[in-house]
Amino acid sequence: EVEVLESGGGLVQPGGSLRISCAASDFTFNYYAMNWVRQAPGKGLEWVSSISGSGTDTYYADSVKGRFTISRDNSKTTMFLQMNSLRAEDTAVYYCARSMGIHYNYYSMDVWGTGTTVTVSS
Amino acid sequence: EIVLTQSPGTLSLSPGEGATLSCRASQSVSSNYLAWYQQKPGQAPRLLIYGASSRATGIPDKFSGSGSGTDFTLTISRLEPEDFAVFYCHQYDNSPLTFGGGTKVEMK
Repeated sequence: EVEVLESGGGLVQPGGSLRISCAASDFTFNYYAMNWVRQAPGKGLEWVSSISGSGTDTYYADSVKGRFTISRDNSKTTMFLQMNSLRAEDTAVYYCARSMGIHYNYYSMDVWGTGTTVTVSS
Repeated sequence: EIVLTQSPGTLSLSPGEGATLSCRASQSVSSNYLAWYQQKPGQAPRLLIYGASSRATGIPDKFSGSGSGTDFTLTISRLEPEDFAVFYCHQYDNSPLTFGGGTKVEMK
């Protein structure tokens, strides 16, 4: 079954770092762009970052640019989000989602994971 | 940045009724790069509609999307208990990718 599964969330202090992962299965991983979308408690969806199928092109929301780094290891069918200088407003469920094509735009997100919770608090 | 405004914020309906949800973009969404998602409490979003009007795999024809340019609509016919949820529109035309604030369809 085609699926993605996030891991690595947890509680981190403000200013701290965390790396979350997204493991993909049952599809040709490098054919698809991948995305991180987050949802703060009781709020709507917010796009965070995307990466092309090859991994050469990356994109970020202004709210995380310079603090977060997206990457992927196509040999291990896994995507990562390295989060540094975390703030309270980064507290959210982080979803991994597959784009329906190799580029992050021009394609909607058709496969979503169940999410991993990141809490930034002292 | 393309801002998506969804209305109404909440729709209170009874099972068997139909629902019409609106999504208005602050600028034209080219090639109808507009999707709709359904999210139930504690669950991930589920893709319903992409390209403004194409149903995703496995989505029943009770869900239909329409519109172009700046005005888009999701129509749900004959609401069943499992259809009640929050619905988001999403544009994937321009960076940054953006989502609407959501419409909650609740049971009256």
